[in-house]
Amino acid sequence: DGGITQSPKYLFRKEGQNVTLSCEQNLNHDAMYWYRQDPGQGLRLIYYSQIVNDFQKGDIAEGYSVSREKKESFPLTVTSAQKNPTAFYLCASSIQGAKSGELFFGEGSRLTVL
Amino acid sequence: GENVEQHPSTLSVQEGDSAVIKCTYSDSASNYFPWYKQELGKRPQLIIDIRSNVGEKKDQRIAVTLNKTAKHFSLHITETQPEDSAVYFCAASLSGGYNKLIFGAGTRLAVHP
Repeated sequence: DGGITQSPKYLFRKEGQNVTLSCEQNLNHDAMYWYRQDPGQGLRLIYYSQIVNDFQKGDIAEGYSVSREKKESFPLTVTSAQKNPTAFYLCASSIQGAKSGELFFGEGSRLTVL
Repeated sequence: GENVEQHPSTLSVQEGDSAVIKCTYSDSASNYFPWYKQELGKRPQLIIDIRSNVGEKKDQRIAVTLNKTAKHFSLHITETQPEDSAVYFCAASLSGGYNKLIFGAGTRLAVHP
């Protein structure tokens, strides 16, 4: 069954702690993305990766880091430098190339900082 | 960079009525405009998209129109049903090597029986 799997679904963190959100896809997609969703603000791009070992900052990258060591995996680390980390995080993937279009999303991870 | 504004933020209609959601974008080079639907507690899913070489596209009860001169595009849902209730997001991007989509803030649509 192909798709994108995010884990954990819910995560609680104390202030000052780093936390890593997992995103795995078996769709053989080249491109992967991390979005943050806050009420009334839509989906904002944190980081994206077009190919293994390469990634670019999105619009709100401060306080986040990513890696892309494997095509299937694109983990996101929320660092202690992120001032307002409580949010819903969505990972997505897409086919690379001129005819690419649809983003396939995971089910999301909800992070709460206590 | 690209900026996408979406209106209204909430929309309430009676079952069977039509619903229209409008978006404007800032970057005239954008040429790909998808719409995503996110039901409560679920992931966003693509429902329809349009590219800049087309002015209108229909898929059963939903349609999207694009006005490149005015830099706006709209989602039209006819004969609304309760299962259409969800949050709808518009987006814009430069298609090509990757999809760096910029999303609107979303419209919460409620369809009342």
